[in-house]
Amino acid sequence: EVQLVESGGGLVQPGGSLRLSCAASGFGFSTYSMNWVRQAPGKGLEWVSYMSSSSSTIYYADSVKGRFTISRDNAKNSLYLQMNTLRDEDAAVYYCARVVRYCGGDWCGYFDYWGQGTLVTVSS
Amino acid sequence: QSVLTQPPSASGTPGQRVTISCSGSSSNIGSNPVNWYQQLPGTAPKLLIYSNNQRPSGVPDRFSGSKSGTSASLAISGLQSEDEADYYCATWDDSLNGWVFGGGTKLTVL
Repeated sequence: EVQLVESGGGLVQPGGSLRLSCAASGFGFSTYSMNWVRQAPGKGLEWVSYMSSSSSTIYYADSVKGRFTISRDNAKNSLYLQMNTLRDEDAAVYYCARVVRYCGGDWCGYFDYWGQGTLVTVSS
Repeated sequence: QSVLTQPPSASGTPGQRVTISCSGSSSNIGSNPVNWYQQLPGTAPKLLIYSNNQRPSGVPDRFSGSKSGTSASLAISGLQSEDEADYYCATWDDSLNGWVFGGGTKLTVL
């Protein structure tokens, strides 16, 4: 059974840092690209960052570029998000999600499994 | 302001058919497949439709998706109370080099 379990959320002051983790199990983690997606309280979903299976390709949303860093450790089946210089607007539930890039050779780019999320609160 | 535009709300009575629209542009929906996610209250999103009109195993055939040009639609037929949820469309955006989501549509079963 595929499982994604996020951790590391909590209360942090504006300008502070936090590192989120996503522990994966039940599938070949090293063969899948992964994403972080967030959802502010009462708001919609916002894509945050992408990392390919080999860590060679990374993308960030403009809203977090230069402040957040995605990484992974395939030996530990884990995905990370280092969040620095946090702002009020970064407060959200952060989900990790597995990415399926190609379907029969064609780009499909969907997220087939999601974790339960970890809550990040930014407040002084 | 979301890159993809969805109506904020939709409603229907049990057994009815409802559709939810998703409008984008040439750099996203116009050139990439659309995926739909269902988020039941208090839970994580779940994949509902991928590649415009494909259902993952376990998703009832009451749910269907379509795409034309720079717009996409999700249709739910035989509406049931357990379909009450938020629905999001999403796709890759070639200009932004990232995924974009619609703002979400809250479906109410009356």
